[in-house]
Amino acid sequence: AQKITQTQPGMFVQEKEAVTLDCTYDTSDQSYGLFWYKQPSSGEMIFLIYQGSYDEQNATEGRYSLNFQKARKSANLVISASQLGDSAMYFCAMRERDNYGQNFVFGPGTRLSVLP
Amino acid sequence: EAGVAQSPRYKIIEKRQSVAFWCNPISGHATLYWYQQILGQGPKLLIQFQNNGVVDDSQLPKDRFSAERLKGVDSTLKIQPAKLEDSAVYLCASSPYPSTSGGGNEQFFGPGTRLTVL
Repeated sequence: AQKITQTQPGMFVQEKEAVTLDCTYDTSDQSYGLFWYKQPSSGEMIFLIYQGSYDEQNATEGRYSLNFQKARKSANLVISASQLGDSAMYFCAMRERDNYGQNFVFGPGTRLSVLP
Repeated sequence: EAGVAQSPRYKIIEKRQSVAFWCNPISGHATLYWYQQILGQGPKLLIQFQNNGVVDDSQLPKDRFSAERLKGVDSTLKIQPAKLEDSAVYLCASSPYPSTSGGGNEQFFGPGTRLTVL
């Protein structure tokens, strides 16, 4: 079964508008972490934001915020005031504990295109 | 602080040849990961080291892939012999986990090595 689901293969947003990228996850752990990474066409993975499973407040980092709904097992990324430089692949990832200690699992990604 | 270093950045080989990738993690990071990212997909974990010990290699195709992290610092990933389906970007990442300072223990990624197998 997929641990991380990102149902939007591609998204378009107008420059300066907000956009929400969806992520749902599956885990039986009580303690886990959720991450969003950005991957521009150059290929590097850039860490954006983190949400711990016990964090009561939604995480925010500048123009990025994470809409964490624990009961629904969703961790959507909200980008406010989109910029042309936000065009990239976005990956949702989860850190959970397994028999080996700590495991990171990535979703399939969403390609965001910001239109001028 | 220097980031995760990887080399080479690009490699083109023919099938059945061998290839090796090198990674130097961020200084002091205990955990090192190798991922395979096939075009259009998310990264898939191949192997995870904590210091110089293997923590998880359950998804490493051990008949052709091997990896080591001698002395618990830099690491090499080898493919021998390569197949066409090994064409991908190989990402190395490091993390301070286990961390004494809490936090997200996010992974810091290197620029990747793009492998093309012809």
